[in-house]
Amino acid sequence: EVQLVESGGGLVKPGGSLRLSCVASGFTFSSYSLNWVRQAPGKGLEWVSFISTSSSNIYYADSLKGRFTISRDNAKNSLFLQMNSLKVDDTAVYYCASGTYLGYWGQGTLVTVSS
Amino acid sequence: DIQMTQSPSSLSASVGDRVTITCRASRGIDNYLAWFQQKPGKAPKSLIYAASSLQSGVPSKFSGSGSGTDFTLTISSLQPEDFATYYCQQYNSFPYTFGQGTKLEIK
Repeated sequence: EVQLVESGGGLVKPGGSLRLSCVASGFTFSSYSLNWVRQAPGKGLEWVSFISTSSSNIYYADSLKGRFTISRDNAKNSLFLQMNSLKVDDTAVYYCASGTYLGYWGQGTLVTVSS
Repeated sequence: DIQMTQSPSSLSASVGDRVTITCRASRGIDNYLAWFQQKPGKAPKSLIYAASSLQSGVPSKFSGSGSGTDFTLTISSLQPEDFATYYCQQYNSFPYTFGQGTKLEIK
C-alpha cells in the first residue's frame, strides 16, 4: 500500500522557518517525481514545488520568490520542504504528492504563521 | 502561467443523477490534465490522469474526456459518497495549476 506521511508543521511567527518532511512507503520512491501542494483554510489547492527523481529538475510556484527549497533523500525515502521568511499568507495544510500527475497524496501537515 | 477555469463553481444534484464538470485551460495542454476529489478535512484523491485514464481503484462511474483546452469530468449515478469538491489540474508545463474547484452538493 502506498503511503505518504508528512510531518514538521506547526505554529511559527512571521519571518520564521520550518522544515517539512514526507516519508514514503509502498512504492519505489527513487523512481517517482514528487510535489508539494498547499491549501489555505477554506481555499482551493495551490501547487508549490516539484522535484524530479534525481533532483536534477526542480520547479517552484512564482509566488514563493525563493523562500522555499525542495529536496529529497532517495536512500531514506524522504521528501523535504525548507520554508524560510514565512508569511501569514503561507498558512495552509501542506501535502506531498507523488508522480507527475500527483497520483498519491499524504494526509497533510498544517503550517500556521501567526504572531 | 496556464490558467484553469472550472464550471460550475458549485452544483446541486440528487442521488442517482449524472453530472458533468467542465475545465478549460487558457492555452492548449494536450491531454496533460488530472482530476481530483476532495472531501472535507481529507486529502485530495486522484481520480483521472491523462484526461481520460482512470486511476487504479477508482470506479468506472467516473470518466474524463477532452484534449487541448476543453475537458470534462462526468460522474454517473451519483451516490452519497460522491458529494465532494472536484479539482482539475494541468501538468503540461510549470508552474502546475489547479482549477478553483467545483463543489458538488446534495439537492
